[in-house]
Amino acid sequence: DAGVIQSPRHEVTEMGQEVTLRCKPISGHNSLFWYRQTMMRGLELLIYFNNNVPIDDSGMPEDRFSAKMPNASFSTLKIQPSEPRDSAVYFCASSLSGDATQYFGPGTRLLVL
Amino acid sequence: KNEVEQSPQNLTAQEGEFITINCSYSVGISALHWLQQHPGGGIVSLFMLSSGKKKHGRLIATINIQEKHSSLHITASHPRDSAVYICAVIFGNQFYFGTGTSLTVIP
Repeated sequence: DAGVIQSPRHEVTEMGQEVTLRCKPISGHNSLFWYRQTMMRGLELLIYFNNNVPIDDSGMPEDRFSAKMPNASFSTLKIQPSEPRDSAVYFCASSLSGDATQYFGPGTRLLVL
Repeated sequence: KNEVEQSPQNLTAQEGEFITINCSYSVGISALHWLQQHPGGGIVSLFMLSSGKKKHGRLIATINIQEKHSSLHITASHPRDSAVYICAVIFGNQFYFGTGTSLTVIP
């Protein structure tokens, strides 16, 4: 298995632009998680899905952030419009269930200028 | 106030030393994860446990539910163990993360 796949691996954009991050979970996993990591705040859970349904999005910073999971093999995290303070590494992880071992993708390093 | 506290924040050890990293939490718990983040940024889940002890190679994780405390032990440490170790507590739908322990193992 290829593990959790994220794209792009790096993204540099200008303030105000829309950013879309993509994640393909491990086949057969029912739960998918989006995390953000910054030096200031460490690792934070943004949202997680169980069987394609968002379970908890209380970690989503504000309305500029949205996440979707149209099917079991694909999820997106969108930021519109992006701001410099959104610069971070965004990780996607998947697991068999919500409280099982999670497998992390390589992350997307986002820089908003 | 942090729901999950880790100690120490930074740790330097000589190769071969026995290492302990601690995690205390103040919330309820469904499960506790120990994560390892390598200098390159990749994150690996080491253990997920809700009671007792788990062992994988040179790594051992324990949890005491009554005391709300977990420890990660590394026996015969090696420079490749150098990483940031993060404790994460799951309670229901809530995830709480420690700030991490940065470990450096010197040859």
